[in-house]
Amino acid sequence: GAGVSQSPSNKVTEKGKDVELRCDPISGHTALYWYRQSLGQGLEFLIYFQGNSAPDKSGLPSDRFSAERTGGSVSTLTIQRTQQEDSAVYLCASSSTASGSYNEQFFGPGTRLTVL
Amino acid sequence: AQSVTQLGSHVSVSEGALVLLRCNYSSSVPPYLFWYVQYPNQGLQLLLKYTSAATLVKGINGFEAEFKKSETSFHLTKPSAHMSDAAEYFCAVSDRSQGNLIFGKGTKLSVKP
Repeated sequence: GAGVSQSPSNKVTEKGKDVELRCDPISGHTALYWYRQSLGQGLEFLIYFQGNSAPDKSGLPSDRFSAERTGGSVSTLTIQRTQQEDSAVYLCASSSTASGSYNEQFFGPGTRLTVL
Repeated sequence: AQSVTQLGSHVSVSEGALVLLRCNYSSSVPPYLFWYVQYPNQGLQLLLKYTSAATLVKGINGFEAEFKKSETSFHLTKPSAHMSDAAEYFCAVSDRSQGNLIFGKGTKLSVKP
């Protein structure tokens, strides 16, 4: 079946502009995660959605970062007033919470964000 | 708090040689442990996972890992490296069945002909 998809695959923007990154999780997966991968920081957790529960935003680095998940499926990560340190690969993952899934997360190919 | 330490940011082996990538974790409860592989310009692919069913876990592409509670380790091995194994490998831990994973810094594996 289809895996996690993300768009765009690459995004180049100017400092100060807003960007939106999209994630389509695997159908039926109720949990969705955003991570950021950068050379200096490795893989960092950003935010986690589980069903209709309030999201876990504990990993968001600043209030310029926000995310929403509509209809329990597609998610959008928004970065406002981008800074050069926001340049990174943004990875989305989804997982099933069915018994026996053990938090196995399936990752999309990522969006490479470059802030000039 | 959970953490993961991967010893060696870069490991180089010859084709056909043993691959050993080290991972140590800290967790206050019995953890779920994962190894992921990332090929250039791609997302992460799950190699294998430990969920307490068996301490020796076999994954894809001939990789396996052994959970050693006394050593808080989950090292990844493959008896014979192949050129196609060249990639970056990440160890990750979770202390529950849901929620974010905590990743190590990654180990880049190079395979020499």
